[in-house]
Amino acid sequence: DAGITQSPRHKVTETGTPVTLRCHQTENHRYMYWYRQDPGHGLRLIHYSYGVKDTDKGEVSDGYSVSRSKTEDFLLTLESATSSQTSVYFCAISEGTGILDTGELFFGEGSRLTVL
Amino acid sequence: QKEVEQNSGPLSVPEGAIASLNCTYSDRGSQSFFWYRQYSGKSPELIMSIYSNGDKEDGRFTAQLNKASQYVSLLIRDSQPSDSATYLCAVKRLDSGYALNFGKGTSLLVTP
Repeated sequence: DAGITQSPRHKVTETGTPVTLRCHQTENHRYMYWYRQDPGHGLRLIHYSYGVKDTDKGEVSDGYSVSRSKTEDFLLTLESATSSQTSVYFCAISEGTGILDTGELFFGEGSRLTVL
Repeated sequence: QKEVEQNSGPLSVPEGAIASLNCTYSDRGSQSFFWYRQYSGKSPELIMSIYSNGDKEDGRFTAQLNKASQYVSLLIRDSQPSDSATYLCAVKRLDSGYALNFGKGTSLLVTP
């Protein structure tokens, strides 16, 4: 199994509070991703990183920010959580050598966030 | 937004039968395709990848790709109750850090 750890695995918080989810990998992979998964929408890309301090937005990035200060850690922050951000959040990693790599993504176990 | 489309199901097949899961994609430039399995409450797990037109077999699983028709399928032979899960089709992007675009998944139920 790919060495990907997400924390916390479950969190309940209130509207307006900040929340940070952590993804830690032991694979030394270049690319890391945050997805959210909601019924009826499938997996949607929030943000991704292609190296230390190199991050960019996915299609559902509003209300989220990310940081990557070390290769192994990718943090997702909700600055002021809203009920619409109640979801299951998955971190994924890829070897990411470029357009010719396998493209295979490996997922962490997920973080279930409930915003009341 | 490039689309990946799957029937949501549920697809119900009897144990021992062949399950056929289908997927279409909109980006004609796509080159890499994947099938993931996701059990309820669990994370997606990679089953197969396919990059060239034709069939690719791995055990009871066969992935089929037709780039001209923009169509990917997954066949599961000798279906088992343990195959009951949601199957996600994914296509590699050429932007966004080579992330994958996912379909919404097809729910498969294998009945004993």
